[in-house]
Amino acid sequence: EAGVAQSPRYKIIEKRQSVAFWCNPISGHATLYWYQQILGQGPKLLIQFQNNGVVDDSQLPKDRFSAERLKGVDSTLKIQPAKLEDSAVYLCASSPGTGEETQYFGPGTRLLVL
Amino acid sequence: DQQVKQNSPSLSVQEGRISILNCDYTNSMFDYFLWYKKYPAEGPTFLISISSIKDKNEDGRFTVFLNKSAKHLSLHIVPSQPGDSAVYFCAACTQGGSEKLVFGKGTKLTVNP
Repeated sequence: EAGVAQSPRYKIIEKRQSVAFWCNPISGHATLYWYQQILGQGPKLLIQFQNNGVVDDSQLPKDRFSAERLKGVDSTLKIQPAKLEDSAVYLCASSPGTGEETQYFGPGTRLLVL
Repeated sequence: DQQVKQNSPSLSVQEGRISILNCDYTNSMFDYFLWYKKYPAEGPTFLISISSIKDKNEDGRFTVFLNKSAKHLSLHIVPSQPGDSAVYFCAACTQGGSEKLVFGKGTKLTVNP
């Protein structure tokens, strides 16, 4: 079974530029999560999708971050414009979406904002 | 306010000995707890979990203990192996896992040969 795929693995941009990350969850998984992990911290949930609907985006900085999962499969997370404090690893995870269950993480995208 | 706390940033043990990683939480609504293991440049990998209706769950060399009255859980690895060297994250959630995970900051475990 293929795991969660993410691209790119690394990205370096200058502040005020925009950037997008892509995630393809495990086949058949209804729930998709985007996390931000700042160095020395644990992952923090940014947004959770159930199929193509948003379940929780309470910690998403909506003035600069956006995410979509149009067809209920893969997802894109965008930052526009980026700030220095957005430097972090962005992790995508998925789970079956049927109840008590484990989240499976992708390798992450490491973003550096200069 | 940090709801899940891992107060030891790092832990070093000898191969073959026991590793004990600790985690404390403040939200009494948490009812499902998980441990994830993370190697450099990889995403976290699920290790073991425990529901609040239990006080112990065991899977091979890994055992998680839950003390609800103290709002404390621990992960025991016996015997420790060099391949166990990684960052271990404690995570908690409500409603049996259907709600969002809240992670601790992680503990870096080093197992010396």
